[in-house]
Amino acid sequence: DVVMTQSPLSLPVTLGQPASISCRSSQSLVYSDGNTYLNWFHQRPGQSPRRLIYKVSNRDSGVPDRFSGSGSGTDFTLKISRVEAEDVGVYYCMQGTHWPWTFGQGTKVEIK
Amino acid sequence: QVQLVESGGGAVQPGRSLTLSCAASGFTFSNYAMHWVRQAPGKGLQWVAIIWHDGSNENYADSVKGRFTISRDNSKNTLYLQMNSLRAEDAAVYYCARDPTGSYDYWGQGALVTVSS
Repeated sequence: DVVMTQSPLSLPVTLGQPASISCRSSQSLVYSDGNTYLNWFHQRPGQSPRRLIYKVSNRDSGVPDRFSGSGSGTDFTLKISRVEAEDVGVYYCMQGTHWPWTFGQGTKVEIK
Repeated sequence: QVQLVESGGGAVQPGRSLTLSCAASGFTFSNYAMHWVRQAPGKGLQWVAIIWHDGSNENYADSVKGRFTISRDNSKNTLYLQMNSLRAEDAAVYYCARDPTGSYDYWGQGALVTVSS
């Protein structure tokens, strides 16, 4: 199975400051169709996960533009340009290239 | 709008069975592969099973293979997960999720399954 490794696992942030989460995969996530199926999800306590980013850098409808995704191959990053209170929760990267699809361990973002 | 609503969760004893349902609305259900993803209490997300859009194929995580069966009824816009021989480690919130290719774009609210004697 492809192992997805996130860092850090805990991220205390100051409101208005930037934040960055790294996600590394044990294999390249480039699929045979040329796409890279790397996704980012956000889960608030007691809620279902919500997709933020798909195919590395495509923001979902309604996702604020302070969220951005980047990377290629095996190395990916989610950045929040200016953290807001509603951004707290756990962020997961997930690969949909290789079976079985796998998630990172999650990064818990909290306000300092 | 797209909605996925799970039902059927509950408390069961080890070794017993339970069937979850996921009612879909707001989109053409038969056009999409569907998945079950679970989350044990305080833990991360784990893919459980997938079924192709037309029900022609399925795939399972090794941890549930031979015990769980995913199915769908496209005439009723409903996804199912039959869970047999439940173990303590199967206790989790089970989410159904829509697959637009290589991702999950919509999730249900989750169904809690508790396995305890």
